[in-house]
Amino acid sequence: DTAVSQTPKYLVTQMGNDKSIKCEQNLGHDTMYWYKQDSKKFLKIMFSYNNKELIINETVPNRFSPKSPDKAHLNLHINSLELGDSAVYFCASSPSRGSYNEQFFGPGTRLTVL
Amino acid sequence: GENVEQHPSTLSVQEGDSAVIKCTYSDSASNYFPWYKQELGKRPQLIIDIRSNVGEKKDQRIAVTLNKTAKHFSLHITETQPEDSAVYFCATGGTSYGKLTFGQGTILTVHP
Repeated sequence: DTAVSQTPKYLVTQMGNDKSIKCEQNLGHDTMYWYKQDSKKFLKIMFSYNNKELIINETVPNRFSPKSPDKAHLNLHINSLELGDSAVYFCASSPSRGSYNEQFFGPGTRLTVL
Repeated sequence: GENVEQHPSTLSVQEGDSAVIKCTYSDSASNYFPWYKQELGKRPQLIIDIRSNVGEKKDQRIAVTLNKTAKHFSLHITETQPEDSAVYFCATGGTSYGKLTFGQGTILTVHP
């Protein structure tokens, strides 16, 4: 009964490839997020969706495209992978898009670009 | 945009000692200040949070203090235990659709 799950857990791929990461939450939350954690552990938000609507879109290369087919799922597709995309990507969810909500993180996907 | 500075970057204490981690922020509109703990190889998890209308909040061995005028807030852990060893992140929120801006993280090591 995992609350926020991500697949795959590890992803190793070559530069130039296209890959996707999937996220699902069974908490009934309205809002989902994608974060990138780099090698120095810095956590930075990339995107947020509220009930399938994009509400936060940080300065991220347009090679990254999120998609939310329904409010329980948020996927991240990355085109033309680069070395600098190597990181841990965390999905998170919160009850709503309000300010004071705890964000529940998934287990992370470690992406390594060779 | 918001900028959150966190210090120290690493902190080493003996079991039973106290640990203090400090954060400063730039956006005076921020009104939500959570702290997340991330154990090695695991996901970040919320341990305590405070809203801007409160100056201090305590939960067993952890406490957070907020000084809105000076734009800084701190995490205090008393009677540290080896299982407190982790990376701790402060964050600010409240200005845009639940967006959190994280500090750089503090690696806390508690020696038995």
